[in-house]
Amino acid sequence: QSALTQPPSASGSLGQSVTISCTETSSDVGYYNYVSWYQQRPGKAPKLMIYEVNKRPSGVPDRFSGSKSGNTASLTVSGLQAEDEADYYCNSYTGSVVVFGGGTKLTVL
Amino acid sequence: QVQLVQSGSELKKPGASVKVSCKASGYTFTTCSINWVRQAPGQGLEWMGWINTNIGNPTYAQDFTGRYVFSLDTSVSTAYLQINNVKAEDTAVYYCARGRLGGPYYFDYWGQGTLVTVSS
Repeated sequence: QSALTQPPSASGSLGQSVTISCTETSSDVGYYNYVSWYQQRPGKAPKLMIYEVNKRPSGVPDRFSGSKSGNTASLTVSGLQAEDEADYYCNSYTGSVVVFGGGTKLTVL
Repeated sequence: QVQLVQSGSELKKPGASVKVSCKASGYTFTTCSINWVRQAPGQGLEWMGWINTNIGNPTYAQDFTGRYVFSLDTSVSTAYLQINNVKAEDTAVYYCARGRLGGPYYFDYWGQGTLVTVSS
């Protein structure tokens, strides 16, 4: 079964940019384009931030962007703001299986 | 506006059953799927599976077969998750999330979560 590996933590200062990686252990992320990213603040439900690798839902600031290269998908947050501090999860759909990454805790310094 | 409103917290003894509801509003219920996601205390997200609200066909993730049942009542735009013979390891927050009808490509709206606690 595929797995998605994320760094457990990431940090950046206010106004800076940070990139969170999501690496697939098989070929799934590289083959399919159904990679999504979710933000979860403490005690809250997850929120969709990026879908289909690099598409932003309405209402998500354009400071959030997604990309993919080979087996690694990435979420970049530019112009970090205090409210960006949260857990971020990547997700991949591979035609029959949905997998979440382990999550990355983003700290805004 | 699209909303998924889940039922309240549950406290169950081992061996009991629990049924969590997820009521949708703000869109036509049968045009999007409902997915279920589990989050154990302090842990990450686990996709449990999804149900096609148009044909009522459930699909369960590998780790969620046997004791878990997805169902619908389309007359009230509500999806249900039932867990039978609950165990301590079922203690978690359970989320419903809206997905595409063609498959669980991504989840654009989420319920607020339902905490299920299993304890004797």
